[in-house]
Amino acid sequence: GENVEQHPSTLSVQEGDSAVIKCTYSDSASNYFPWYKQELGKGSQLIIDIRSNVGEKKDQRIAVTLNKTAKHFSLHITETQPEDSAVYFCAARKHSGGGADGLTFGKGTHLIIQP
Amino acid sequence: GAVVSQHPSRVICKSGTSVKIECRSLDFQATTMFWYRQFPKQSLMLMATSNEGSKATYEQGVEKDKFLINHASLTLSTLTVTSAHPEDSSFYICSALRGERGNTIYFGEGSWLTVV
Repeated sequence: GENVEQHPSTLSVQEGDSAVIKCTYSDSASNYFPWYKQELGKGSQLIIDIRSNVGEKKDQRIAVTLNKTAKHFSLHITETQPEDSAVYFCAARKHSGGGADGLTFGKGTHLIIQP
Repeated sequence: GAVVSQHPSRVICKSGTSVKIECRSLDFQATTMFWYRQFPKQSLMLMATSNEGSKATYEQGVEKDKFLINHASLTLSTLTVTSAHPEDSSFYICSALRGERGNTIYFGEGSWLTVV
């Protein structure tokens, strides 16, 4: 099955600086890569996603890049703000012909924005 | 606003009893929903895939007789934890697949279960 590795587990950056979180996946058939933000004790919120036919996607301060050959994808947050502090999860999924498989998640990155 | 609603957000039950958690897609039909659990400071772990009108598909190691899943309509899936034990205490999260928007998956707000 799919295996998703996420690094780093904890990331501390100064407010205004950029943050980068990296994930690798094992199953070359995976074709959908979402990123979720989770604040303490709350459900996960989809913040951005990318599909395998695209190499990069950007939404304001957030961008995601995908390298299919190397099987890794990254989340980039620019001009970080205190409200960006949370745990971020990457995930990978493949869409099988008969239905949809569940997401396989990375172990999460605790992003801390220092004032 | 939220497109997937989960209820209850918090529940406390006694050991040996059963508790039901609901997951609803609010403005779309979801033929596929997923159930996850999350222990403190750990990642989300997929428990099962819920398919409308058919049996759920459980991940390896998840007891299907303990975690009953019912996906009776296109907007509702339920997870029932039967004969709950303290080790079942966890954060349970559902998600729903929105097919008409490129197969995007949206998560519910999660349910904290505490078994005493």
